[in-house]
Amino acid sequence: DQQVKQNSPSLSVQEGRISILNCDYTNSMFDYFLWYKKYPAEGPTFLISISSIKDKNEDGRFTVFLNKSAKHLSLHIVPSQPGDSAVYFCAASARKDGGAQKLVFGQGTRLTINP
Amino acid sequence: DAGITQSPRYKITETGRQVTLMCHQTWSHSYMFWYRQDLGHGLRLIYYSAAADITDKGEVPDGYVVSRSKTENFPLTLESATRSQTSVYFCASSESRQGSGYGYTFGSGTRLTVV
Repeated sequence: DQQVKQNSPSLSVQEGRISILNCDYTNSMFDYFLWYKKYPAEGPTFLISISSIKDKNEDGRFTVFLNKSAKHLSLHIVPSQPGDSAVYFCAASARKDGGAQKLVFGQGTRLTINP
Repeated sequence: DAGITQSPRYKITETGRQVTLMCHQTWSHSYMFWYRQDLGHGLRLIYYSAAADITDKGEVPDGYVVSRSKTENFPLTLESATRSQTSVYFCASSESRQGSGYGYTFGSGTRLTVV
């Protein structure tokens, strides 16, 4: 049972345009959401996060939107740059559980930025 | 150098062999995690540890054993390797019970092939 789903395995966007990556979750206990970026032969690196008390968080070219009623979040990258080409993982956790912040990851979306 | 280090980077082993993947972090983070990355599944949690001598199962623990005698080390052992354990393995650490805005810090991964 996949609690965090990224239904698009890949996405191709032209340089300078907006990239929108989507993520859905099923566990209503999740209250913290993160996006990670992964280049080949490297570990994932943290990109941006959002708490369930917010519906938007922005950091430079990256904005994450959270729609709790739809159990959906999205990552917007604008403008997209060639260096943004990577695999993006959505992750979620239920911090109210206490203890370790165990992250549940989606399947990943491979983003390719075309010149 | 400070950080989280995994070794080896690549490993080929035969079915039925025991193999240990090493993970070392220099931050004295309390929490450490082992994930495996497989196409179509994203990152799945194998085991995690809240502190030295405290470990617990994740989503896919079968066939794996962990130990944490020292805070900085968290080795993962495949007791009798199977082809289904061919994967990329990532170790991660986290600094706080409720997590930080930056989530986990990941190592660079170990690509394991079981033949």
